[in-house]
Amino acid sequence: ETGVTQTPRHLVMGMTNKKSLKCEQHLGHNAMYWYKQSAKKPLELMFVYNFKEQTENNSVPSRFSPECPNSSHLFLHLHTLQPEDSALYLCASSQEVRWGRQNTEAFFGQGTRLTVV
Amino acid sequence: KNEVEQSPQNLTAQEGEFITINCSYSVGISALHWLQQHPGGGIVSLFMLSSGKKKHGRLIATINIQEKHSSLHITASHPRDSAVYICAVRSLSGSRLTFGEGTQLTVNP
Repeated sequence: ETGVTQTPRHLVMGMTNKKSLKCEQHLGHNAMYWYKQSAKKPLELMFVYNFKEQTENNSVPSRFSPECPNSSHLFLHLHTLQPEDSALYLCASSQEVRWGRQNTEAFFGQGTRLTVV
Repeated sequence: KNEVEQSPQNLTAQEGEFITINCSYSVGISALHWLQQHPGGGIVSLFMLSSGKKKHGRLIATINIQEKHSSLHITASHPRDSAVYICAVRSLSGSRLTFGEGTQLTVNP
């Protein structure tokens, strides 16, 4: 248990559906992240939020829409996805943005395994 | 070619064996991370290195900045060590974190 909780753990959706992924952390962290992990590919950063404000969008298609209502919650709204969007979506949080610097560590959730049919 | 290359991609070992996973990178870095991802998907941080060597239990991580290379060693491997091990590097400016593709380790009893 890392302190970062993602729901649902598994999601199957059609290309015309709208669904949302949820991430919650109660570690008191200020930065939250969405990552995508496709089979046999490195982790890809999608979005970064710092103090509820989006600070990075890594050229993510608009069919992925993040929302960060407060520092503890992060959502990823999904609509009109494509089969190639099927992947593991991981949420992470860290005390400061750009984890990995100055001894800042990131804590990851278990991920949501998304299948688009 | 990825900026971060890991080898091997897949590794199968018998319980008790000494294991080495390698990570090579092509850019200047401020820090290197080793992460562990279990089959359930969650990722935990094992080490953050900027120089030298760190040890935690049966795990040892080393880095050679001049050669742009890091190794993760597991002594007396155990089936519960079976996981994907991921190397990630933080750029010198700190603005970018680049991940390797991971090494799938399977330790058989």
